[in-house]
Amino acid sequence: NAGVMQNPRHLVRRRGQEARLRCSPMKGHSHVYWYRQLPEEGLKFMVYLQKENIIDESGMPKERFSAEFPKEGPSILRIQQVVRGDSAAYFCASSPPGRPNEKLFFGSGTQLSVL
Amino acid sequence: EDQVTQSPEALRLQEGESSSLNCSYTVSGLRGLFWYRQDPGKGPEFLFTLYSAGEEKEKERLKATLTKKESFLHITAPKPEDSATYLCAVQAGSQGAQKLVFGQGTRLTINP
Repeated sequence: NAGVMQNPRHLVRRRGQEARLRCSPMKGHSHVYWYRQLPEEGLKFMVYLQKENIIDESGMPKERFSAEFPKEGPSILRIQQVVRGDSAAYFCASSPPGRPNEKLFFGSGTQLSVL
Repeated sequence: EDQVTQSPEALRLQEGESSSLNCSYTVSGLRGLFWYRQDPGKGPEFLFTLYSAGEEKEKERLKATLTKKESFLHITAPKPEDSATYLCAVQAGSQGAQKLVFGQGTRLTINP
């Protein structure tokens, strides 16, 4: 049973480019969460999604960031026109239906570096 | 605003030297307190969930306890493989709130 899969593991972008981060939840999981870990800071919640629905995006910056979890395929976190301050580790987590957030399973993260 | 503070930031122990990590929290309506372990270059790995004051949970050399204002992660006779960053997080708020608020973690190093 594969765990939460994130790709790419490392992503390098120049300022102004777009970054797309992908997350495939564990099999049977219908809830997906994105967290960001800035250097020397703790994990910060960004967004919580279920299939085709954004449930809570209160932690997402209002501009340049968007997330989706389509009916088919992985969840995507999209960052447009990246800036140096976007450099961070982005973690995806998933949980099974019924008791969301009781126990999150995290992926290994995508390390985004903006030059 | 919900807050989680972990101490110490870093801790070095000798193999076999027991100690405790602290997690203090201020939340409006605690729904659950979580402990995770994070190894370098990896995502957090779930350890425990505690729901009410007085609750305790154990797993191998680790034991987590909860009071109304803080949680402790006790590590007994640690081994070098216990070296990792230990994260504390709270789930709070009204029903339907799903996000976790994490502390900054305690970086634990166990020397052989």
